[in-house]
Amino acid sequence: RKEVEQDPGPFNVPEGATVAFNCTYSNSASQSFFWYRQDCRKEPKLLMSVYSSGNEDGRFTAQLNRASQYISLLIRDSKLSDSATYLCVVNPEFDKLIFGTGTRLQVFP
Amino acid sequence: DTEVTQTPKHLVMGMTNKKSLKCEQHMGHRAMYWYKQKAKKPPELMFVYSYEKLSINESVPSRFSPECPNSSLLNLHLHALQPEDSALYLCASTPREKNEAFFGQGTRLTVV
Repeated sequence: RKEVEQDPGPFNVPEGATVAFNCTYSNSASQSFFWYRQDCRKEPKLLMSVYSSGNEDGRFTAQLNRASQYISLLIRDSKLSDSATYLCVVNPEFDKLIFGTGTRLQVFP
Repeated sequence: DTEVTQTPKHLVMGMTNKKSLKCEQHMGHRAMYWYKQKAKKPPELMFVYSYEKLSINESVPSRFSPECPNSSLLNLHLHALQPEDSALYLCASTPREKNEAFFGQGTRLTVV
């Protein structure tokens, strides 16, 4: 089993849609969780950290379920500029950040 | 300021060459990383330096040799690479108080 697994995608959604991505991780000792976005041929950029109580940043909401070892990202009112690959990142041990396989999102007009 | 600078941006090298990738950050971050990313795949962790000491080595072949001369610099020395080593090599660093990583723009390496 991979350390971090994500929906393979791609997700093709119209502008204005709400879309959700899921991620599961295998190491129950993991302490920190993040969502990154990566545009084609660019470096990954931090989208948001994920906290146990859940957190929101504008149109983006992240949730963490430690019991199920599950992380989610919800994007509301999708924009064309949201088209990218979304990477779930988990910190299974100190200083070790492991990326999920990524989920590709394409928002169309 | 979350700037991590990598040089060169592009590199083409032969299988018998020796080259080095460089990474620099001046944010006082505690950890620096090398990742390798192939097309349509996620970044794969290669090495981690924490407070200038190699803390994680993900069983990377010895033709890749990391070096951390000081807390701001991280190098990746390359020798006798294979064509399958062609990839985007990403450097990242992590602040003292957090675990999130900030990435440089990467070096796109082609081995011919």
